[in-house]
Amino acid sequence: RKEVEQDPGPFNVPEGATVAFNCTYSNSASQSFFWYRQDCRKEPKLLMSVYSSGNEDGRFTAQLNRASQYISLLIRDSKLSDSATYLCVVNQANSGGYQKVTFGTGTKLQVIP
Amino acid sequence: NAGVTQTPKFQVLKTGQSMTLQCAQDMNHEYMSWYRQDPGMGLRLIHYSVGAGITDQGEVPNGYNVSRSTTEDFPLRLLSAAPSQTSVYFCASSSLTGEDGYTFGSGTRLTVV
Repeated sequence: RKEVEQDPGPFNVPEGATVAFNCTYSNSASQSFFWYRQDCRKEPKLLMSVYSSGNEDGRFTAQLNRASQYISLLIRDSKLSDSATYLCVVNQANSGGYQKVTFGTGTKLQVIP
Repeated sequence: NAGVTQTPKFQVLKTGQSMTLQCAQDMNHEYMSWYRQDPGMGLRLIHYSVGAGITDQGEVPNGYNVSRSTTEDFPLRLLSAAPSQTSVYFCASSSLTGEDGYTFGSGTRLTVV
């Protein structure tokens, strides 16, 4: 089983739709979680951190379910500019106390006019 | 605030040549890392560093060397380029724990012929 798994998509959705992505992780000791956005031929950029209580940033909502070991990203009122690949990132401390970062392979979103 | 600066943006090498990819950050981040990104495989960690003078191997270190003489700089050296090293390379930095996420450089597209 991969440490971090995402559905690669693509998710093709019309403008204005709501779309949700899930990401599962295998290590229950994981401590911090993020969603990154990566546009074609560009570097990944931090979209939002994911907190245990869930958090929202405008049209984006992230949730963490530690019991089932997954995180989710909900995008409401999709815009054309939301078209990108969304990477799930999981961070845990290794035996030396330093971070061990694992990236998912990403879910591709295409918002259609 | 420049963030993470990577050079060059593009490079073509012949098999057997060596080169150094440069990475510099101005955020006083202790943690720096190099990733390669290949289609369908996501981001794979090559080497990382938790501070000046301290480096360690990641998931795919073979064929690459790193050094960290200052907090700001973390160059990646390809010893003898091979076609299998054709990829997009990203440098990233963060605090030591990574709890605030990672900042990526804009990437280097390397082709080995």
